[in-house]
Amino acid sequence: QQQVKQSPQSLIVQKGGISIINCAYENTAFDYFPWYQQFPGKGPALLIAIRPDVSEKKEGRFTISFNKSAKQFSLHIMDSQPGDSATYFCAAGGGSWGKLQFGAGTQVVVTP
Amino acid sequence: DTEVTQTPKHLVMGMTNKKSLKCEQHMGHRAMYWYKQKAKKPPELMFVYSYEKLSINESVPSRFSPECPNSSLLNLHLHALQPEDSALYLCASSPPGLAGNTGELFFGEGSRLTVL
Repeated sequence: QQQVKQSPQSLIVQKGGISIINCAYENTAFDYFPWYQQFPGKGPALLIAIRPDVSEKKEGRFTISFNKSAKQFSLHIMDSQPGDSATYFCAAGGGSWGKLQFGAGTQVVVTP
Repeated sequence: DTEVTQTPKHLVMGMTNKKSLKCEQHMGHRAMYWYKQKAKKPPELMFVYSYEKLSINESVPSRFSPECPNSSLLNLHLHALQPEDSALYLCASSPPGLAGNTGELFFGEGSRLTVL
C-alpha cells in the first residue's frame, strides 16, 4: 500500500516557467515532509522540508505548500532552469527513527 | 564535512561471490541507513542502525548482512546474490534531534551493483 501518492510521473516545463509537483498522504501521524532532488547517477539530496505547523516554506526558488486538512503538500519550482532537470521525490515521516515513506517520483525536464 | 562516502562506486559480482559495500560519515550522525534503489523507482529502506544497534530490518533476505562497527561506519555484506539484486545501494545518515532522530536523511552517491 503506497502511503504517499505523487503526481505527475513526469513534467516538461520551459525555462522560466513554474514546475508543480503534488503529493498526498493518508497517515495523520506523519509530521515531517521533505522533498529530495536526484540527478542521474547520484544519491538523493534533501532540497526542502516542512513540518505541519506551517502552511508554506520558501527557500530560494523552491516553495513547499502544505494543506493539513486535505493531507496534501506540493513543491513549486519558480523560474525553472535547465539545471533543475532531475527526479524529485516527496516523502513523509513520523516518529523518532526517521523512517520515511517516499512518493514514486517525478521526472522534471526543463527545456532551454 | 557534510558528506556520506560510499565505496566502491561500482561493483560487479557473480552469484557465488562474497563482497562488501562500505559507508562512512563524520557528521556525528547516530542513525545510519541502507536503501536499495531500482531504476526510475524511489529508494526502498532495507536497514536502520541507531546508536550502532540494528533498529529496523525491512524483511531483507539473509544474503544481505549489515554491520555497524562504530558510529561512523556502516557495511553491507553481500553473499549469494541473485541477478534481481542488481540496483543502486544507497547509504544515508541522520542527525540526532530532540525526539530521537530527525528524519533528515543525508545520502551518499551510492554503489551501483551488478550481479551476473
